[in-house]
Amino acid sequence: NAGVTQTPKFRVLKTGQSMTLLCAQDMNHEYMYWYRQDPGMGLRLIHYSVGEGTTAKGEVPDGYNVSRLKKQNFLLGLESAAPSQTSVYFCASSYSRQGDTGELFFGEGSRLTVL
Amino acid sequence: GDSVTQMEGPVTLSEEAFLTINCTYTATGYPSLFWYVQYPGEGLQLLLKATKADDKGSNKGFEATYRKETTSFHLEKGSVQVSDSAVYFCALSFKGSARQLTFGSGTQLTVLP
Repeated sequence: NAGVTQTPKFRVLKTGQSMTLLCAQDMNHEYMYWYRQDPGMGLRLIHYSVGEGTTAKGEVPDGYNVSRLKKQNFLLGLESAAPSQTSVYFCASSYSRQGDTGELFFGEGSRLTVL
Repeated sequence: GDSVTQMEGPVTLSEEAFLTINCTYTATGYPSLFWYVQYPGEGLQLLLKATKADDKGSNKGFEATYRKETTSFHLEKGSVQVSDSAVYFCALSFKGSARQLTFGSGTQLTVLP
């Protein structure tokens, strides 16, 4: 059982380049999330989705776009990377609201460096 | 807005020492409270939770009690092991909230043999 899988795990970009992080979950979860983790700041929510075809902004959405075309996949895009986007990115998923326990299932993270 | 404040790390302890990591929160209403743990090179995983005042969450020898009067959810373990070395995150959420968890900044714990 793979759970939540993120690709790629590491990436180095130059300023202005674009890239997409892919998150896939095999637990049939409705909710999916993208967080970024920075030293001393914990995890901050970038965007989230409450179901296929839906997306919403989180705490720090600027400079990112997302898409949820399929229930199992949640893509995070950087159109024009900036050094401030150097971070570790985590995807997570959870059960639907009706069965909400507050438990998120996380991927292993994607380390992005923007030069 | 809602927020979670954790004691600053890093925390370094010897094996079998007692552990306390402080966590306080600010929120409108009564959230559910969580501790997540992140082992090196891995994503976060749920350690324990409490959904109402005076509830005690426990798992793997760790425990935390939801204190409404002090808005706190301190993590404790009576005897830590080297394998407990990780980053610990306190978090809150409101049932039915699509935005889910608000995390604290994390506390790095290192346990020395």
